[in-house]
Amino acid sequence: KQEVTQIPAALSVPEGENLVLNCSFTDSAIYNLQWFRQDPGKGLTSLLLIQSSQREQTSGRLNASLDKSSGRSTLYIAASQPGDSATYLCAVRLRGVSLSGTYKYIFGTGTRLKVLA
Amino acid sequence: NAGVTQTPKFRVLKTGQSMTLLCAQDMNHEYMYWYRQDPGMGLRLIHYSVGEGTTAKGEVPDGYNVSRLKKQNFLLGLESAAPSQTSVYFCASSSWSVSYEQYFGPGTRLTVT
Repeated sequence: KQEVTQIPAALSVPEGENLVLNCSFTDSAIYNLQWFRQDPGKGLTSLLLIQSSQREQTSGRLNASLDKSSGRSTLYIAASQPGDSATYLCAVRLRGVSLSGTYKYIFGTGTRLKVLA
Repeated sequence: NAGVTQTPKFRVLKTGQSMTLLCAQDMNHEYMYWYRQDPGMGLRLIHYSVGEGTTAKGEVPDGYNVSRLKKQNFLLGLESAAPSQTSVYFCASSSWSVSYEQYFGPGTRLTVT
């Protein structure tokens, strides 16, 4: 059974610091991996999507990497700002041969980031 | 282009009452999903749909029913609400045309007393 883990559960950093958020998954047979941001009381906003055939994706100050063999993805945030404070979640889309297994995403429980001014 | 919208935003129910949550998307996505989010549990899939007229069970389907009569709408029903169904409910959609990237609605906060 696919499990997705995000450690640490919470992180505080001073403004301007570069930081890395981690996402681990137990089964490498994934279709893609998606990183989200969630602000308190709000929905999830997609940040980056990495296909299983890709190694990384970049958007602005964000860079996400994927290493399927080790079951890990990292989200790198450069020059962090107080506005980056939010919960960051990763989700893997399963790859399966059955209809019931092919369309599901498994989510981690997130890392709550606080960037201090 | 509104993306994914959810109605209502907040609701308080008494145990045993019923209600329907509405999700609508204007992106012509084939796939739609209902999740619930609880503290410490992450997002868990309730039901999903791979196309108009089709639905399937997710991880935690008990106590919920769904319907997808139109491609753009996905309804989540609670026939007899229980306090254990107090949660935040999110709808999402995706499509092969955007590499199955998921787009989420703003959520419905439901309290069952």
